[in-house]
Amino acid sequence: DMKVTQMPRYLIKRMGENVLLECGQDMSHETMYWYRQDPGLGLQLIYISYDVDSNSEGDIPKGYRVSRKKREHFSLILDSAKTNQTSVYFCASSPRLGGSQNTLYFGAGTRLSVL
Amino acid sequence: KTQVEQSPQSLVVRQGENCVLQCNYSVTPDNHLRWFKQDTGKGLVSLTVLVDQKDKTSNGRYSATLDKDAKHSTLHITATLLDDTATYICVVGDRGSALGRLHFGAGTQLIVIP
Repeated sequence: DMKVTQMPRYLIKRMGENVLLECGQDMSHETMYWYRQDPGLGLQLIYISYDVDSNSEGDIPKGYRVSRKKREHFSLILDSAKTNQTSVYFCASSPRLGGSQNTLYFGAGTRLSVL
Repeated sequence: KTQVEQSPQSLVVRQGENCVLQCNYSVTPDNHLRWFKQDTGKGLVSLTVLVDQKDKTSNGRYSATLDKDAKHSTLHITATLLDDTATYICVVGDRGSALGRLHFGAGTQLIVIP
């Protein structure tokens, strides 16, 4: 069963607290992604991971870091969360990187509120 | 600067009606274009991908067109069902290689009413 699982689904944190968002996939995909989705905007790429310990900044990496120690697991960390990081965060995976045949599989998202 | 523009922002149709969603983009190069469906509170699910200069695809009640000269794509939904209520997102890939990046539109929110 091809699945991307995100935990938790909902999270409320206070400004300055640390946040850990977790993502797992059961398809042995090489490439994994973290996006955020804000109202009226397209998804924005935060980080991309090509494989274990091979990560690269996306378009909006400031305030975030990632960890990928196993191929099936990709974490997004917010050190000292800010109110403007309130958003819906999506994890995705794909067999490889690039190309029309390389579709992305998305998790259901984590809705994060930073108060 | 927004490189993928979708219209309309939202659309209400009655069950059984047809509808057309539009996607205009300025991404260059434009390797491929993919349409996703996003149910409320869920992740994105791929509906179809278009690749050729002038391309057409069909997936059940969903059909799509792409005109790379005009940098324009349409998604047609025939005989809408209540379950078609969702946000439809247009995504343009700028290369077919590992260097390729994806450019997401903000989506069209479709509401199908009885």
